[in-house]
Amino acid sequence: AQSVTQPDIHITVSEGASLELRCNYSYGATPYLFWYVQSPGQGLQLLLKYFSGDTLVQGIKGFEAEFKRSQSSFNLRKPSVHWSDAAEYFCAHAYSGGGADGLTFGKGTHLIIQP
Amino acid sequence: SQTIHQWPATLVQPVGSPLSLECTVEGTSNPNLYWYRQAAGRGLQLLFYSVGIGQISSEVPQNLSASRPQDRQFILSSKKLLLSDSGFYLCAWSNGRGETQYFGPGTRLLVL
Repeated sequence: AQSVTQPDIHITVSEGASLELRCNYSYGATPYLFWYVQSPGQGLQLLLKYFSGDTLVQGIKGFEAEFKRSQSSFNLRKPSVHWSDAAEYFCAHAYSGGGADGLTFGKGTHLIIQP
Repeated sequence: SQTIHQWPATLVQPVGSPLSLECTVEGTSNPNLYWYRQAAGRGLQLLFYSVGIGQISSEVPQNLSASRPQDRQFILSSKKLLLSDSGFYLCAWSNGRGETQYFGPGTRLLVL
């Protein structure tokens, strides 16, 4: 079965420091990969996505992610975090075959920003 | 541009009562529509998806049901709520399989 693993439940980072959130997927073929962010009590906002091509993708709010097939990973990075980045982050993938399946999500990483 | 609406935003219901949550999408035609549930600390779980009017696929057996009476309307229902139905319910749409899904603001349901 397809799965997405986000090994870090909570991460605390100082404002201005760099950030890396880990994501590993379990799927044989090339997946479609996504990172979403969720502020408390809100819906999910798409940060970036990878379908094919360049393995380093740029997203909104200064985020980027790198697809590494050999490691089955799609880690999210930001060089300098802001207090407003505190939120829940979800990695997800979609099955690239036929049909209309939804996304498979990781359980999320809660990002805390220290002043 | 496309927008997605969900209502109500918050709902408190007693155990055994019925449920109806509504989701509507504007600015697109024939979208794929999805219902997810987010329970505390458990990520998002796909409940139902629909590729067209009257076409519903269920991912998880439960006491919930979904309907799509119109192209851009997706409804989540229950005849009798359980305590375990509490959670945050998110509706999403996409232009097709594997495409980016765009989420609504969610409905927080508390069953007492």
